[in-house]
Amino acid sequence: KAGVTQTPRYLIKTRGQQVTLSCSPISGHRSVSWYQQTPGQGLQFLFEYFSETQRNKGNFPGRFSGRQFSNSRSEMNVSTLELGDSALYLCASSQSTGTPNRGEKLFFGSGTQLSVL
Amino acid sequence: AQTVTQSQPEMSVQEAETVTLSCTYDTSENNYYLFWYKQPPSRQMILVIRQEAYKQQNATENRFSVNFQKAAKSFSLKISDSQLGDTAMYFCALKLTFGKGTLLTVNP
Repeated sequence: KAGVTQTPRYLIKTRGQQVTLSCSPISGHRSVSWYQQTPGQGLQFLFEYFSETQRNKGNFPGRFSGRQFSNSRSEMNVSTLELGDSALYLCASSQSTGTPNRGEKLFFGSGTQLSVL
Repeated sequence: AQTVTQSQPEMSVQEAETVTLSCTYDTSENNYYLFWYKQPPSRQMILVIRQEAYKQQNATENRFSVNFQKAAKSFSLKISDSQLGDTAMYFCALKLTFGKGTLLTVNP
């Protein structure tokens, strides 16, 4: 099976712009979660999608949004970029069922490194 | 709210020696899972080990084992016979909440 694929690998934007990141989960995985990784804060949970519905949401401003398509692929959008949004954005997929038991192993992509100038 | 705390930002160990990474957490749930993930310089995060809270026996995966103290809400990772390839960031996780990570360097 192919792993979790994130595109693009690297992205450079300027303040005020918006950006869309893509994540293709492992075939058969219906749960996709997104994380922001920065040196000082570690991994911070952004949101999780399951069957096209947002199931969980972290503590991020409304500039951060996402969606999931019927094929389980997910996109994350950040509007009005700020310098502090520079980070590695990771997505992960899992074989979560409709009832989250949280014992599922997460499979991570290699991330998108976003730089905001 | 759930929290995960890793109090050691960086650690180092000599090759072939043993090292323990600390993690404490807080949750109001009784049934949950705890995880340790490894992120090498390649950035590819992989699962190292998983522990179910209901199981009293500590999980073990080859050279990796955990010391799970449910009452103390402590979940440390022990790496035995450290290898150069163990050099990585290690993250402790509870559900979708991760700690800030511990950068482990294995020295030859």
